[in-house]
Amino acid sequence: DTEVTQTPKHLVMGMTNKKSLKCEQHMGHRAMYWYKQKAKKPPELMFVYSYEKLSINESVPSRFSPECPNSSLLNLHLHALQPEDSALYLCASSQVSLLAGVVEQYFGPGTRLTVT
Amino acid sequence: SQQGEEDPQALSIQEGENATMNCSYKTSINNLQWYRQNSGRGLVHLILIRSNEREKHSGRLRVTLDTSKKSSSLLITASRAADTASYFCATDPTGTASKLTFGTGTRLQVTL
Repeated sequence: DTEVTQTPKHLVMGMTNKKSLKCEQHMGHRAMYWYKQKAKKPPELMFVYSYEKLSINESVPSRFSPECPNSSLLNLHLHALQPEDSALYLCASSQVSLLAGVVEQYFGPGTRLTVT
Repeated sequence: SQQGEEDPQALSIQEGENATMNCSYKTSINNLQWYRQNSGRGLVHLILIRSNEREKHSGRLRVTLDTSKKSSSLLITASRAADTASYFCATDPTGTASKLTFGTGTRLQVTL
């Protein structure tokens, strides 16, 4: 199984709502990532989890709260978002390579988020 | 921003023609990867080239890397309509893929 799944596919939320995005993989990968992608732009890294611990936070506003409850699941909790947070949110996973090796990331299809 | 630059931003060709897209980056790398993204979907890994390699092939894909110029190119030969997508290069400074930096992307349109 080389698939990363993300739910929901689409999400519309108001600025006062609380919602969560979910990502799941069963490839045994111990690194998981959240990216934000605006239209016609490249993905921008938000968070990296390694062995279920947050290892990188790219200065993301606290209204985005990641969680990695186990090695297969990654959540992104959303609260009090702004319209400019509307974007495609991509989850990815990869092996954790402590030595410089060949590592690629596997991406999910994304959640299209619209904040109204 | 450490983002790499890709050119062209957009490329339109006919089926059967070759497509070449270029990527320039700023920092030293362990490897450089190319990904494809169909409209509004997730990215798919295409090919990876290590910093000590100069050229690599995979099916209809050919990638080159010139570390002295900090640049790479992706050639898709005999393009098909199904190749229509955005293509991103991504640099990996450590080889662990923990912090890929994506280029600005090239939107490829292949028409029948």
